[in-house]
Amino acid sequence: EDQVTQSPEALRLQEGESSSLNCSYTVSGLRGLFWYRQDPGKGPEFLFTLYSAGEEKEKERLKATLTKKESFLHITAPKPEDSATYLCAVQAGTPRLTFGEGTQLTVNP
Amino acid sequence: GAVVSQHPSRVICKSGTSVKIECRSLDFQATTMFWYRQFPKQSLMLMATSNEGSKATYEQGVEKDKFLINHASLTLSTLTVTSAHPEDSSFYICSARASNSYNEQFFGPGTRLTVL
Repeated sequence: EDQVTQSPEALRLQEGESSSLNCSYTVSGLRGLFWYRQDPGKGPEFLFTLYSAGEEKEKERLKATLTKKESFLHITAPKPEDSATYLCAVQAGTPRLTFGEGTQLTVNP
Repeated sequence: GAVVSQHPSRVICKSGTSVKIECRSLDFQATTMFWYRQFPKQSLMLMATSNEGSKATYEQGVEKDKFLINHASLTLSTLTVTSAHPEDSSFYICSARASNSYNEQFFGPGTRLTVL
């Protein structure tokens, strides 16, 4: 059974204080690892897809990396508008996604 | 591109009534659509996978007679919660996978269902 564990559950940062979110996974035959951002009362917003170990992708202040066991979402110099829940999901042999519990990020001004 | 809409965004109904939620892919064709449920402070739980023109595949523990899914076209899937009860109150979110993509799924904005 595919498993995804995200840590920490919650993270509070000061504006400009860089940090990383972790997503550990156990899956047989990874087809893709996905990062989404979810604001309260909204659907998840797609951020990145990573396919193989060593791959990295960047978007503004966010950078996602992937190893064979985990993925990191690095946030550089975050701003208050980066506050959200960040979700990690994996996809194996079928198109269905298995989600982690998410990391709730709060960036204080 | 890759926009998914849901309607309604919010619905309040009385116990025992049925509620229909629509999920549309606006600018792409979606061979497969997924329905999720999300309770407060929890992650998304997949309820069912629907493929255009065929019966939906339900996850273990999800009652298919209670949550009716229809995927009649490449841009529209509907979820009907039949005889809704207060415990069905939740945030329902759909996602769609483009016909030309195996991987990426794009999510709708969600529908907040409250059953009184």
